[in-house]
Amino acid sequence: DTEVTQTPKHLVMGMTNKKSLKCEQHMGHRAMYWYKQKAKKPPELMFVYSYEKLSINESVPSRFSPECPNSSLLNLHLHALQPEDSALYLCASSQDNSYLSTDTQYFGPGTRLTVL
Amino acid sequence: GNSVTQMEGPVTLSEEAFLTINCTYTATGYPSLFWYVQYPGEGLQLLLKATKADDKGSNKGFEATYRKETTSFHLEKGSVQVSDSAVYFCALSGGYNKLIFGAGTRLAVHP
Repeated sequence: DTEVTQTPKHLVMGMTNKKSLKCEQHMGHRAMYWYKQKAKKPPELMFVYSYEKLSINESVPSRFSPECPNSSLLNLHLHALQPEDSALYLCASSQDNSYLSTDTQYFGPGTRLTVL
Repeated sequence: GNSVTQMEGPVTLSEEAFLTINCTYTATGYPSLFWYVQYPGEGLQLLLKATKADDKGSNKGFEATYRKETTSFHLEKGSVQVSDSAVYFCALSGGYNKLIFGAGTRLAVHP
């Protein structure tokens, strides 16, 4: 099973709302990733968790707050977003992300976020 | 730094035509190379990968060969189908398994 699941599939929120995106994998992977994808663009890496610890933050604004409650779950907490944050948010996982790792990343279907 | 360059799309083909999508890369060291496909409204799916020079990745009739001398990883398929219509991303894996994506190439196949 190489499935990564994400909920919700679609989310509409106002600029004052607080919401969360959820991601789950049961492949025993120890690295999990959040990407942001704008229309007609490639995914852009936001955060990486390795063994449940935040290992990479690509200078993402603090209105995005990641959390890894356990090795299977990854959350992205959203607060005070701007309309330009509207995008497809993709979660991915891989066996690990050590410096020399080239493990395949498996992607979820994404959450399409609209900020009004 | 590391980068990936893909041919601009969209690419429009008739069913059963031959497909080539060019991809070249710039990297230090010896990265792994990937092709991912994104169907409308979906996430990315791994199509194929190659981890060292002269490796050929293949899947579902698609092939790509890791060419170190030309720093290329072109995607080919001998006979495309309507169901192959999607966006194709070439990518390399840099340090800490960070994926560097190309801009993506949209493929439209008509009956």
